[in-house]
Amino acid sequence: DGGITQSPKYLFRKEGQNVTLSCEQNLNHDAMYWYRQDPGQGLRLIYYSQIVNDFQKGDIAEGYSVSREKKESFPLTVTSAQKNPTAFYLCASSINGLMTAEDGYTFGSGTRLTVV
Amino acid sequence: DAKTTQPNSMESNEEEPVHLPCNHSTISGTDYIHWYRQLPSQGPEYVIHGLTSNVNNRMASLAIAEDRKSSTLILHRATLRDAAVYYCICPYNQGGKLIFGQGTELSVKP
Repeated sequence: DGGITQSPKYLFRKEGQNVTLSCEQNLNHDAMYWYRQDPGQGLRLIYYSQIVNDFQKGDIAEGYSVSREKKESFPLTVTSAQKNPTAFYLCASSINGLMTAEDGYTFGSGTRLTVV
Repeated sequence: DAKTTQPNSMESNEEEPVHLPCNHSTISGTDYIHWYRQLPSQGPEYVIHGLTSNVNNRMASLAIAEDRKSSTLILHRATLRDAAVYYCICPYNQGGKLIFGQGTELSVKP
């Protein structure tokens, strides 16, 4: 079955360390997204990519970096510059990077990052 | 961007219908209305979407106002497993981004 895989489900890191969250999709989708969710809050967009080798900052990109070298993969690095990295991180994809009005979005099951 | 406004929370009794409202007064003519829901500690999942006509699927129904400035997600018989945060989104004209609002947290009482 096609879908989005995020790994790991839970991740613990020491303060000051960079950490990379994995997101892989086998849906042949052009567009991929990273969101952050804090307890009791909605989703906030970190980065998004409409096609391979291209990505744009979302609303809260500071302290994060991404790459899109392959269509299937969109890894997110949480750097030491991110002041409050502890959060639930969600990856999503959609079929059309041009954002056709009817397209739906598929989400991964998320990675819960805790920085101690 | 077509911003959406939803109540922060709603309550329902099990096996009763639930009507979740959404206002999208700045919607454009080509904007679809999407609904997603997020169960605790999971990623959002697609529920339903529509453009002008009312839509039905196995999960829910979507009633769209004639002027398209509002819509209502209808769960015909709420179950405990329907307790989730429901998001109403109009994704077109967001410059390639998908922006979520706060959503409506639905509680279902047995």
